[in-house]
Amino acid sequence: DQQVKQNSPSLSVQEGRISILNCDYTNSMFDYFLWYKKYPAEGPTFLISISSIKDKNEDGRFTVFLNKSAKHLSLHIVPSQPGDSAVYFCAAVSSGSARQLTFGSGTQLTVLP
Amino acid sequence: NAGVTQTPKFQVLKTGQSMTLQCAQDMNHNSMYWYRQDPGMGLRLIYYSASEGTTDKGEVPNGYNVSRLNKREFSLRLESAAPSQTSVYFCASSEARTGFQPQHFGDGTRLSIL
Repeated sequence: DQQVKQNSPSLSVQEGRISILNCDYTNSMFDYFLWYKKYPAEGPTFLISISSIKDKNEDGRFTVFLNKSAKHLSLHIVPSQPGDSAVYFCAAVSSGSARQLTFGSGTQLTVLP
Repeated sequence: NAGVTQTPKFQVLKTGQSMTLQCAQDMNHNSMYWYRQDPGMGLRLIYYSASEGTTDKGEVPNGYNVSRLNKREFSLRLESAAPSQTSVYFCASSEARTGFQPQHFGDGTRLSIL
C-alpha cells in the first residue's frame, strides 16, 4: 500500500510558466514533507520541506503548499527554467519511524525552452 | 566538499555472487541509510543506522546485510545476488539528533545481476 503517491509520472511546461507538482499521502502520522530533485546519474538533492504545522513554505522560486485535511501537498516552481527539468520526488517522515523517509514514485518535469 | 561518496558506481554480477557496496560521509552525521530505486518506483529503504553501533531493517531488507563500520562508513552486502536485486542503490546520511534534518544522498551504485 503506497503511503505517498505521485499520480502524474510526467509534466511538461513552457519556460517562464508555473510548474505545479502534486503529491497525496495516506498516513496521518507524517509530520514533515520534503521535495527532492533528481538529475540522471545523480543522487536526489533536497529542495524544500514543510512541517505539518504549516501550510506554506517558500524558498526563492520554489513554494510548497500543504493541505492536511485533504492529505495533499504541491510544489510550485515560478518561473520554470530549463534547468529545472528533472525527476521530482515527494517524501514524508513520521516522528515515530526513526526519521525514515517514505518516497513517492516521482514526476518527470520537462521545461521546454 | 565530498558529502556522501559511494563505491563502486557500476557493477555487474552473476547470480549467486557476493558483493559489498561502500558508503562514506564526511558531514559528521549520526544517521545513515541504504535505499534501492527501481524503474517507476520511489526509493525504498533497505536498512538504516540511526547512530554508530546500531542498525535496523527498513521496508525491503531481505537478501541484504549491513555494517556500520564507524561514524563515517555504512556498507551494504549482498551475500548471494539474485536478478531481483538489479537496481540502483543510494546511500544517504542525516543529522537527526536536533529535530528534523533532510537526508543527503550519494550518486548511487548501478548494480546488474545476470
